[in-house]
Amino acid sequence: DQQVKQNSPSLSVQEGRISILNCDYTNSMFDYFLWYKKYPAEGPTFLISISSIKDKNEDGRFTVFLNKSAKHLSLHIVPSQPGDSAVYFCAANRNYGQNFVFGPGTRLSVLP
Amino acid sequence: GAGVSQSPSNKVTEKGKDVELRCDPISGHTALYWYRQSLGQGLEFLIYFQGNSAPDKSGLPSDRFSAERTGGSVSTLTIQRTQQEDSAVYLCASSSRVGDEKLFFGSGTQLSVL
Repeated sequence: DQQVKQNSPSLSVQEGRISILNCDYTNSMFDYFLWYKKYPAEGPTFLISISSIKDKNEDGRFTVFLNKSAKHLSLHIVPSQPGDSAVYFCAANRNYGQNFVFGPGTRLSVLP
Repeated sequence: GAGVSQSPSNKVTEKGKDVELRCDPISGHTALYWYRQSLGQGLEFLIYFQGNSAPDKSGLPSDRFSAERTGGSVSTLTIQRTQQEDSAVYLCASSSRVGDEKLFFGSGTQLSVL
């Protein structure tokens, strides 16, 4: 049973446009959510996070939105750049002491 | 380098053989995690260590899998009697504490069981 879902395996956007990556979760106990980015042959790197007490967190070109009632979060990248082309993983955690549950990832391709 | 180091980067083995995968975490990081990523799947949690506490082994898929962390630093993941379904990328990560969002991942070990 997948607790964290990323239903779009891939996404292509034009350079300069907005990229929106979506993530859904089933466990209402999750209270902390994260996005990681992974380039080929490298380990994932932390991108941005959000606590369940917030509905938005912004860091430069990256914004994460959380809709707790819908158990849905999204990552917005504006403007998208070719260097953003990577696999993006959504992850969730509860109580800051548990392991992180990762989604299957979405491959983003930003076309020049 | 100051990052998480994993070895070997690639391992090809025959079904039934034992393998050991090594992880050198960032110096001073007390939390160490093992994940694996099978083809087309997300990262699957295997085990984590936090300081001197008992490890959380809840993600280990079978008793063929075990892990140790010696001296609070280097960790070894051992898979006994490997099976083809064990083929995956095994990723190690460390952080300054359990629950810290900033997991620092190594580049992984690509395990192929023939």
